[in-house]
Amino acid sequence: QVRLQESGPGLVKPSETLSLTCTVSGDSISAFFWSWVRQPPGKGLEWMGNVYYTGSTNYNPSLGSRVAISVDMSKNQFSLKLSSLTAADTAVYFCARGLRFQPSHFDHWGQGSLVTVSS
Amino acid sequence: EIVLTQSPGTLSLSAGERATLSCRASQSVSSRYLAWYQQKPGQAPRLLIYGASSRATGIPDRFSGSGFGTDFTLTISRLETEDFAVYYCQQYGDSPCSFGQGTKLELK
Repeated sequence: QVRLQESGPGLVKPSETLSLTCTVSGDSISAFFWSWVRQPPGKGLEWMGNVYYTGSTNYNPSLGSRVAISVDMSKNQFSLKLSSLTAADTAVYFCARGLRFQPSHFDHWGQGSLVTVSS
Repeated sequence: EIVLTQSPGTLSLSAGERATLSCRASQSVSSRYLAWYQQKPGQAPRLLIYGASSRATGIPDRFSGSGFGTDFTLTISRLETEDFAVYYCQQYGDSPCSFGQGTKLELK
């Protein structure tokens, strides 16, 4: 059974960089496409970007150059970095499995990790 | 970016009733790349429907999706208590993929 688990700090200061990791179990990270989706408290969902095991990435233009997603095949993990944080980046961050590199639906999700941006 | 508008914002129904949720796109969604998710408080979204009308693994057949172009519908034929949640549509025919703002299905 596929399982995704986010990990990382729950509190980050404004202007700093958020770093989260998603560990995939029950599946090879080389077989699918892996995304980050976030959800501000009480609001809707925003796709941030995805990565393939080759290291190829797609990003949401709304995030500009602040976002970077990478993959570590040796650990079956992929990671998110989001820089220049503001309070608007406070959200639950989900990792998710997509079925294609181009825009995809997501059939497996992590439980989510709440990240609060505050000094 | 394709903007998805869901209606109604809140739907109040009783168990056993039929629920009809709407998702309208600002431009045509190619290849019917439209998905529906259910989200309960404190949980991740759960995929219900993809390709506008295909049920995901393990989803009961009381959930059905339909539509094409710019208008899509999620129907729950007979509501059960566990169906009361927030529902999101998502288009993945155009980059970046985008989500609707959600419809809250609440117990009347």
